[in-house]
Amino acid sequence: DGGITQSPKYLFRKEGQNVTLSCEQNLNHDAMYWYRQDPGQGLRLIYYSQIVNDFQKGDIAEGYSVSREKKESFPLTVTSAQKNPTAFYLCASSSLSANYGYTFGSGTRLTVV
Amino acid sequence: GQQVMQIPQYQHVQEGEDFTTYCNSSTTLSNIQWYKQRPGGHPVFLIQLVKSGEVKKQKRLTFQFGEAKKNSSLHITATQTTDVGTYFCAGPGAGNNRKLIWGLGTSLAVNP
Repeated sequence: DGGITQSPKYLFRKEGQNVTLSCEQNLNHDAMYWYRQDPGQGLRLIYYSQIVNDFQKGDIAEGYSVSREKKESFPLTVTSAQKNPTAFYLCASSSLSANYGYTFGSGTRLTVV
Repeated sequence: GQQVMQIPQYQHVQEGEDFTTYCNSSTTLSNIQWYKQRPGGHPVFLIQLVKSGEVKKQKRLTFQFGEAKKNSSLHITATQTTDVGTYFCAGPGAGNNRKLIWGLGTSLAVNP
């Protein structure tokens, strides 16, 4: 079955450590996205990529970094520069050619202590 | 900048009552999408509306796209406890039709 996989589901890190969240899709989608969701809030775009080896900053990119070396993979690194990293992180993908909605992964809940 | 606003932010209904959430864009949209996020879950794509004045139904859910393509609504008839969750609308950003601008969502609670 095609889908988008995020791992791990829960992640705990100490303050000051970088952490990388995994996102893999086998939907052959061109575009991939990272969102952050805080309790009771909407979706805020961190980074997105529409093609391999290229990505753009979203609305809240500071303290985050990404790479897109393969079409299937779009890992997100939360660096120590991110002041408030505890949040629910959602990865999504979409086709650029088909007019259809986003497919989301099940998310990673990051807690920094 | 471009904004998508949703009202109400929260809605609490008795099971069997109807529910409507409204979505308004600051700009004309080429399409509008609706998603549902269950508590503790991830957003799931429900539908996309493209044409001016379009109305689509999915069982008890009715989606409308306004004539000016700047507003949309989702109406649920006779809510059930399985309808609980947050409903988001989203529209394409200007100049980049695959980057979505999201509303803040309407959280629906249903009393059995």
